[in-house]
Amino acid sequence: RKEVEQDPGPFNVPEGATVAFNCTYSNSASQSFFWYRQDCRKEPKLLMSVYSSGNEDGRFTAQLNRASQYISLLIRDSKLSDSATYLCVVNRDDKIIFGKGTRLHILP
Amino acid sequence: GAVVSQHPSWVICKSGTSVKIECRSLDFQATTMFWYRQFPKQSLMLMATSNEGSKATYEQGVEKDKFLINHASLTLSTLTVTSAHPEDSSFYICSARVPAGNTGELFFGEGSRLTVL
Repeated sequence: RKEVEQDPGPFNVPEGATVAFNCTYSNSASQSFFWYRQDCRKEPKLLMSVYSSGNEDGRFTAQLNRASQYISLLIRDSKLSDSATYLCVVNRDDKIIFGKGTRLHILP
Repeated sequence: GAVVSQHPSWVICKSGTSVKIECRSLDFQATTMFWYRQFPKQSLMLMATSNEGSKATYEQGVEKDKFLINHASLTLSTLTVTSAHPEDSSFYICSARVPAGNTGELFFGEGSRLTVL
């Protein structure tokens, strides 16, 4: 079992819809959690950190469930520019572990 | 935010030659940098962790003699792909963590696309 797992998608979602991704992690000692966005042929960029209390940044909401060992990302009112691959990232000790990413296509 | 610069962005070389990729932290000192490789439509794969002033730590399956990493200063790490072959063609990305506790937030270089003919 991989340490960080994501549904690879692709998720094809009409513009304006709400879409949610989950990511599960297997090591309960994981300490911090992030969502990164990667556009095609570009480097990943930090989208948001994920906290147990949940956090929101505009149309994006991230949640962490330590008991069930998953994190989620919710995108409301999706835009065409949201099309990208979303990477779940987990930090454990000094290791940074990436999920394989979930591809999102927003359809006009 | 913190800036990490990577050079070159693109490189095409003949099989058997060596290619050096540089990763610089422009506005902070990075004791640790990470090197990743990404094949088309696949995820980032950590190759090695580069530690300033000491040997790099390689992930399982990554040949340390083929992928030479040097982290001679707090702002520069280099990855040299030695005797490159077509199967080494990939997108190589470096990253560094801002040294403000173990927050895990990474800043990435722009990536270097290597094509070996």
